[in-house]
Amino acid sequence: RKEVEQDPGPFNVPEGATVAFNCTYSNSASQSFFWYRQDCRKEPKLLMSVYSSGNEDGRFTAQLNRASQYISLLIRDSKLSDSATYLCVVNSKGFSGGYNKLIFGAGTRLAVHP
Amino acid sequence: NAGVTQTPKFQVLKTGQSMTLQCAQDMNHEYMSWYRQDPGMGLRLIHYSVGAGITDQGEVPNGYNVSRSTTEDFPLRLLSAAPSQTSVYFCASTNRGPGFYEQYFGPGTRLTVT
Repeated sequence: RKEVEQDPGPFNVPEGATVAFNCTYSNSASQSFFWYRQDCRKEPKLLMSVYSSGNEDGRFTAQLNRASQYISLLIRDSKLSDSATYLCVVNSKGFSGGYNKLIFGAGTRLAVHP
Repeated sequence: NAGVTQTPKFQVLKTGQSMTLQCAQDMNHEYMSWYRQDPGMGLRLIHYSVGAGITDQGEVPNGYNVSRSTTEDFPLRLLSAAPSQTSVYFCASTNRGPGFYEQYFGPGTRLTVT
């Protein structure tokens, strides 16, 4: 079983739709959580961190459920420019030297159409 | 402020050849790392460094070497290229502190080994 699992999609939605992605992680000792966005043939970029209380950034809302070990990302009022792959990332116990181990999900692809 | 730069952007190697992927950052971050990204898989950590002169292995280190002689530079060396090393390679630089952990990725190097 992968440490971080995501539905690969693609999610095809019209502009203006609300779409939600879920992600599950297997290591209950995981410490922090993130969503990254990756455009086609580009590098991943941090979209938002995920806090225990849930957090919102404009049209994006992230939630964490530690008991069930899943993280979600909700995108409201989808724009064409939201089309990308969304990576769920979990920060687990560190390697030596205090380096934190980031485990990346394989990503969920979103395609927003007019 | 260029962030994280990587060269080359594209490279084709024959089996058995060696080469070095270059990575540099101008943000004065202590932590740097190398990942590879393959289709259908999340990014996987190859090697990382927690400061100049300190490197360690990640999840998939075999066939790769690194060194960190300065804070800015973190080159990745392929010792004897194999087709299994065909991948996209991302270098990352990490800004960390109490309550936050932000990774910045370079634009990637697309490597094909024939």
